Amino acid sequence: AQSVTQPDIHITVSEGASLELRCNYSYGATPYLFWYVQSPGQGLQLLLKYFSGDTLVQGIKGFEAEFKRSQSSFNLRKPSVHWSDAAEYFCAVNRGGGADGLTFGKGTHLIIQP
Amino acid sequence: DARVTQTPRHKVTEMGQEVTMRCQPILGHNTVFWYRQTMMQGLELLAYFRNRAPLDDSGMPKDRFSAEMPDATLATLKIQPSEPRDSAVYFCASGLGTINEQYFGPGTRLTVT
Repeated sequence: AQSVTQPDIHITVSEGASLELRCNYSYGATPYLFWYVQSPGQGLQLLLKYFSGDTLVQGIKGFEAEFKRSQSSFNLRKPSVHWSDAAEYFCAVNRGGGADGLTFGKGTHLIIQP
Repeated sequence: DARVTQTPRHKVTEMGQEVTMRCQPILGHNTVFWYRQTMMQGLELLAYFRNRAPLDDSGMPKDRFSAEMPDATLATLKIQPSEPRDSAVYFCASGLGTINEQYFGPGTRLTVT
């Protein structure tokens, strides 16, 4: 069965610094990968997705992610974070076998310090 | 802009009571998902529908949970009877087609005392 690991429960970054959130997946075929962001008390908003093609994908709010098949990773990056980026970030993979539901990682809580 | 709506946003109920949560998917989306979020388990898929037909409800406790789509604009998730362990945030999401991005609603925060 597919699984998603986000090894960092919390990450603290200074405003203006770069950010990388890690995501590793376990999947038997070509995965469909997603990053979502959740602000406190809110639903999840899609940041970006990877289905195929170029392994570097651009998303909203200045985020990008790189798919590395050899490392089974799909890390999220941003060159310069803003205080408004403080939130919970979830990596997800589709469940596979033609099923459309998502399997989510446990999330990474991003803290921005001034 | 188009959004998934969920009602109620908050629900506090006593153990044993019936709870019904409602979701209005984005107009034109033909796939609807129900997820549950807890601190311990994170986000879990409960069930999903395509063109109003249930495709997978393996994540749902069968004895007390039921999900339906009475029409294309309404999905419901019902818990009867509710238990304290059902306390969670329940999200509905909708999408178009297969294996595509899902748009999430704001969630229903359920507290069962």
